[in-house]
Amino acid sequence: QKEVEQNSGPLSVPEGAIASLNCTYSDRGSQSFFWYRQYSGKSPELIMSIYSNGDKEDGRFTAQLNKASQYVSLLIRDSQPSDSATYLCGSNQFYFGTGTSLTVIP
Amino acid sequence: DAGITQSPRHKVTETGTPVTLRCHQTENHRYMYWYRQDPGHGLRLIHYSYGVKDTDKGEVSDGYSVSRSKTEDFLLTLESATSSQTSVYFCAISESGLAGGSETQYFGPGTRLLVL
Repeated sequence: QKEVEQNSGPLSVPEGAIASLNCTYSDRGSQSFFWYRQYSGKSPELIMSIYSNGDKEDGRFTAQLNKASQYVSLLIRDSQPSDSATYLCGSNQFYFGTGTSLTVIP
Repeated sequence: DAGITQSPRHKVTETGTPVTLRCHQTENHRYMYWYRQDPGHGLRLIHYSYGVKDTDKGEVSDGYSVSRSKTEDFLLTLESATSSQTSVYFCAISESGLAGGSETQYFGPGTRLLVL
């Protein structure tokens, strides 16, 4: 079992819809989590970091952390075609999920 | 973009040859990391450094060595490259490590390595 697991997808949503990406982790020692976006052939770039239980919002992005259930999620509201990318979930224990491929259909 | 460069950006080499990849940062961050990214496996940590001459192994360190003689440079060496080391290699940096509140990692542009 990987330390950080993600559904690999692919996930397709229509433009304007909400995209929901999920991640679970196994190490209860993990304290902080990160969502990265990676376009094809490019390096990962940070979208959100979250350290505390609950929701954290930044523009169209909301990260959710539930330490009791050991899951992290990322919601993208009003999805745009430019959001089409692979999204990586990572923990402060240097583990990353395999990524979820998102396609936003115009 | 965080000031991280990697060299070379692309390399083709033959099995059994040594290969060194370089990561250079201008952010003066204490932590530096080497990851490899492969389909189906995602990003996996090879080695990391928490200061000059201070390094530790990651999840997939076999066949790799690292060195850090200056804050700004972190070298990854494949002593004798094998085809299984064909991958995309990313360097990353962060201000702090496991739990310092500034452990967000910033990634370099990557190096594509093909071992024939």
